[in-house]
Amino acid sequence: ETGVTQTPRHLVMGMTNKKSLKCEQHLGHNAMYWYKQSAKKPLELMFVYSLEERVENNSVPSRFSPECPNSSHLFLHLHTLQPEDSALYLCASSQESRGRSGANVLTFGAGSRLTVL
Amino acid sequence: QKEVEQNSGPLSVPEGAIASLNCTYSDRGSQSFFWYRQYSGKSPELIMFIYSNGDKEDGRFTAQLNKASQYVSLLIRDSQPSDSATYLCAVRHTGTASKLTFGTGTRLQVTL
Repeated sequence: ETGVTQTPRHLVMGMTNKKSLKCEQHLGHNAMYWYKQSAKKPLELMFVYSLEERVENNSVPSRFSPECPNSSHLFLHLHTLQPEDSALYLCASSQESRGRSGANVLTFGAGSRLTVL
Repeated sequence: QKEVEQNSGPLSVPEGAIASLNCTYSDRGSQSFFWYRQYSGKSPELIMFIYSNGDKEDGRFTAQLNKASQYVSLLIRDSQPSDSATYLCAVRHTGTASKLTFGTGTRLQVTL
C-alpha cells in the first residue's frame, strides 16, 4: 500500500460507455497526476493538478476529462473511448513547493487497467 | 521535444554481479533525475533520485550523474533475482509542477 489508492483496478468498457477512474491519496500531498502507460512506450503525463493550478498535455484527446475536487481526490472521466486507449492508467501524488528546485518525488497508485472493446 | 533515452534490454546479469543501467536526456535545463523500479503488473516505485553531479549511494544502489554529458546511470551491486524488473529513468524539468519525462525503461534479468 503506497498511500495512493486507485479504483477500479480493472475496467472493461465499450466505445459508447461512460466511466470514471478514481484516485485518492492519504499522504497529505498537494499535487496529483494522471499518467498513461502503454506497452513499449514511456509513461505519458496526461494531467497535473498542482498548487491549485491544472496543467494538461495538449496531445490528450478530449474524451479524457479530469476532475480534482480537492487535494486528496482525483478522477478521470472517460467517454467514447477508442481501442487504442486501452492501457494502464496510473495516478500519482507529490508534495510541491513554489520556487523550490530539487526532488519532488512521485508516489504512484497501483493503477487501473483499462480495456476498450 | 524533451526526451529520455534508455536501452530497452533485456539486460541479463548473473546473481552477485554489478548491473549497470544507463539513461541519456536531451534537455540541458533538467534539474532532478529519478530511478524507478517497476515489477511486472505493478506500479513504479522510487529507488533513488539525484540532482548534483557525481555519485549518490544508497545500500546496493549507486546513481551517477554527469550533466555535461547529459547522462545518468544506476549501478546495482551484488544483483539478486529479486532485482529483476524494469527500471525507469525519469527527468524533471524546470517549473513548479513535477513534470517528469520518463524513458521507456530497461528490463533487467538477474539469473541464478
